[in-house]
Amino acid sequence: DAKTTQPNSMESNEEEPVHLPCNHSTISGTDYIHWYRQLPSQGPEYVIHGLTSNVNNRMASLAIAEDRKSSTLILHRATLRDAAVYYCILHDAGGTSYGKLTFGQGTILTVHP
Amino acid sequence: GAVVSQHPSRVICKSGTSVKIECRSLDFQATTMFWYRQFPKKSLMLMATSNEGSKATYEQGVEKDKFLINHASLTLSTLTVTSAHPEDSSFYICSAWTGVYGYTFGSGTRLTVV
Repeated sequence: DAKTTQPNSMESNEEEPVHLPCNHSTISGTDYIHWYRQLPSQGPEYVIHGLTSNVNNRMASLAIAEDRKSSTLILHRATLRDAAVYYCILHDAGGTSYGKLTFGQGTILTVHP
Repeated sequence: GAVVSQHPSRVICKSGTSVKIECRSLDFQATTMFWYRQFPKKSLMLMATSNEGSKATYEQGVEKDKFLINHASLTLSTLTVTSAHPEDSSFYICSAWTGVYGYTFGSGTRLTVV
């Protein structure tokens, strides 16, 4: 899977929007962009994923650049429960490594009351 | 959404003994499951891919004789840490692809070998 680059940490205030960036300049045409988050001592939790178009769900929005070399996870109103490590992962659903998710270091999001 | 149930959540065992961790898909069938290991303040590292009815595929550097994986049904995969040693102490997490809901993960097992 292609590599992604994320800031090590970000901070936000409660009830404010949060934009978590991810760079993936070597993304291939069949790579999906996945976002997961992990709270302390828990398994990761699916947040959102997309291929080319922006995506919205009840948890977040995913904005994908036109050239797909970067994306942004948007939490519209951060809550204290959103404090977690956020992972941006590229997954090639059409490749021989089907199924494997390769985790980077992620972004530690701190939310202040 | 699709749920993966992982047990036990934490286990303490003596050095030299074996520990089995179970991962069940509760409301979907998982042909393939994945096992990860996570050390403190580190990211998840894929250990192996578990395929129903066939042998698991291990990542480079992971000892297949030490980390035994069995995927006997479409809803159950197990990871057995054999002859555990303190350096095997870690957080073990299983995962499965659900389709619409992406990958779903178990809640993890904290293994402490004393």
